[in-house]
Amino acid sequence: DAKTTQPNSMESNEEEPVHLPCNHSTISGTDYIHWYRQLPSQGPEYVIHGLTSNVNNRMASLAIAEDRKSSTLILHRATLRDAAVYYCILRDPRNQGAQKLVFGQGTRLTINP
Amino acid sequence: GAVVSQHPSWVICKSGTSVKIECRSLDFQATTMFWYRQFPKQSLMLMATSNEGSKATYEQGVEKDKFLINHASLTLSTLTVTSAHPEDSSFYICSALRGSYNEQFFGPGTRLTVL
Repeated sequence: DAKTTQPNSMESNEEEPVHLPCNHSTISGTDYIHWYRQLPSQGPEYVIHGLTSNVNNRMASLAIAEDRKSSTLILHRATLRDAAVYYCILRDPRNQGAQKLVFGQGTRLTINP
Repeated sequence: GAVVSQHPSWVICKSGTSVKIECRSLDFQATTMFWYRQFPKQSLMLMATSNEGSKATYEQGVEKDKFLINHASLTLSTLTVTSAHPEDSSFYICSALRGSYNEQFFGPGTRLTVL
């Protein structure tokens, strides 16, 4: 899997938007961009994924750069429950040998009340 | 979303004993499951890929004789930490693949403490 780079930590205030960046300059044309988050003492949970177009779901939005070398996870209105480590992971679903997820260090998001 | 459970959620054992951790896909069948280990303040590290009806595939540096994996059914994979030592204390997390897109769903984790 191609490597991703994320800031180690970010901090934001409750009810404000949060933009979590991810760089993936070596992404291949068939790699999907996945975001997972891990709340304290829990297993990771899926947040969102995309290939080329921006994506929205009930949890977040994913903005993908036109050249696909970077992406941004957007939490529109952060709550205290969004405090977690956010992981940006690249994965090619067609590659049977690459079904495992390789986790980097992620971004530890702190939300201030 | 799909549900994956782990049992137990936490366990404390004495050094030298063996501990078995179960991972179940509750509402779907999973031919492939994964086992991860996570030390405090660190990221998840993949230990092995568990395939139903066949031997597990271990990542480099993971001792297969110490971490025994059995995937005997489409809904259950077990990880047995044999002769556990304090350095095996960690948060063990499993995940299961579902569907043609192979979405991955994670269990809640099992915290192992070896005294």
